[in-house]
Order: sequence, then C-alpha cells, then structure tokens
Amino acid sequence: DTAVSQTPKYLVTQMGNDKSIKCEQNLGHDTMYWYKQDSKKFLKIMFSYNNKELIINETVPNRFSPKSPDKAHLNLHINSLELGDSAVYFCASSQNGLGVGYTFGSGTRLTVV
Amino acid sequence: QQQVKQSPQSLIVQKGGISIINCAYENTAFDYFPWYQQFPGKGPALLIAIRPDVSEKKEGRFTISFNKSAKQFSLHIMDSQPGDSATYFCAASKMNTGNQFYFGTGTSLTVIP
Repeated sequence: DTAVSQTPKYLVTQMGNDKSIKCEQNLGHDTMYWYKQDSKKFLKIMFSYNNKELIINETVPNRFSPKSPDKAHLNLHINSLELGDSAVYFCASSQNGLGVGYTFGSGTRLTVV
Repeated sequence: QQQVKQSPQSLIVQKGGISIINCAYENTAFDYFPWYQQFPGKGPALLIAIRPDVSEKKEGRFTISFNKSAKQFSLHIMDSQPGDSATYFCAASKMNTGNQFYFGTGTSLTVIP
C-alpha cells in the first residue's frame, strides 16, 4: 500500500524520558513534515524536510529533534519529555512546488504521565 | 498569529441539509486552498482544493466557493450524511515556498439522522 506510515500509534511514557517516533513514506514525495495536534485539534507545523534538508523549523523546544536519513524517512526524537508534550503527532509528505495536498500518516498519540 | 481563520467551531446539521464552513485568510500571496477531513483516530485526508484563478470547484457533494477580493473561501457539503460527521480543516499555502500549510482551527461537523 502506498502511504505515510508512522510508528508507534500510541506512546505512553513518563516525564523526563526520551522517545522517538518514526515515519516513512513510499509515495516518492520529496518533502516531509511533522505536525502537532493539540487537545483542541489545532494543527501546527513543527518541521519540514525537503530531500533530507531542513527547510521549516518553527518555534519548537530544542528537546525536539528531527532526523531525515533519506527522503523517504523523517523521524522525530524528543528528549526530557514534559506533560505539555502530550498530543497527537502527525507525519505528512508532499511533492514540493506542485501545490498538491499533504498525505498524512495516521498519527501517534503521545501521552506523558 | 492565526493566518487562516475558520468558523464555526462546531456545526450540527440534519441529514440531507447543507453544511457550510467558512475560512478567511490575510496573506494575498497564498495560492492554494485545500480542505481536509479528519475522522477520529485518523490523520487528516485531502478532500478538495482550489486555486485562486477559479471561483468555485465542485466534486460530488462537496463544493468550494472562493472569493479572492474578500479573501474568503468556504466549503459546502450538499445533502449532508451521517458519514460526513468529522472535523474539517481549511488551509492555505503558497506554492514553491516549502509547501508550508497554514491550517484553520477546525470545524467539528455532526450530521444527525
């Protein structure tokens, strides 16, 4: 199946831990993104990578670090997790410059306790 | 600063009725306006999109109306069905600038039988 897949789907962890979320797309897109959706469902961009190069880096704590080993993968590593990091994190991809929409993954619900 | 403003926050419509969701934007450089549909536990999925060179686009029961001078666009769902119950997001972007989308705050639509 062609898709944007992210793992894990659910992640429950204690404050202070470090965790990673993985994302892979097999759509041949050249741009990948991480979005955070808060409890009010507001979608906010965190990072964007185009062909492994960081192009968008919104105001996000340094504890969040994206890594793109190749253009089909964009992982998100979070250090020293805080309660306020609890949210749903979506990975997405698109073909830059064509004005086509994003394809989103199904999300990772992160709960920090 | 919210680049795209969306209303209403929630909407309840009878089956067979018309659902209307409105969005307004400030940046006249935006040139791509998609709508996304999100079901619980899923990622947003592209529903329909429009470019500013047309005033209306229709796909099945879904229509986007676009008013460039007013910097507004809206989604109309004709003959609304219970299966349309979801959260709808409008968005805006400028092509060729990293494809960053600015999302509205979402509208929770409930279609009652």
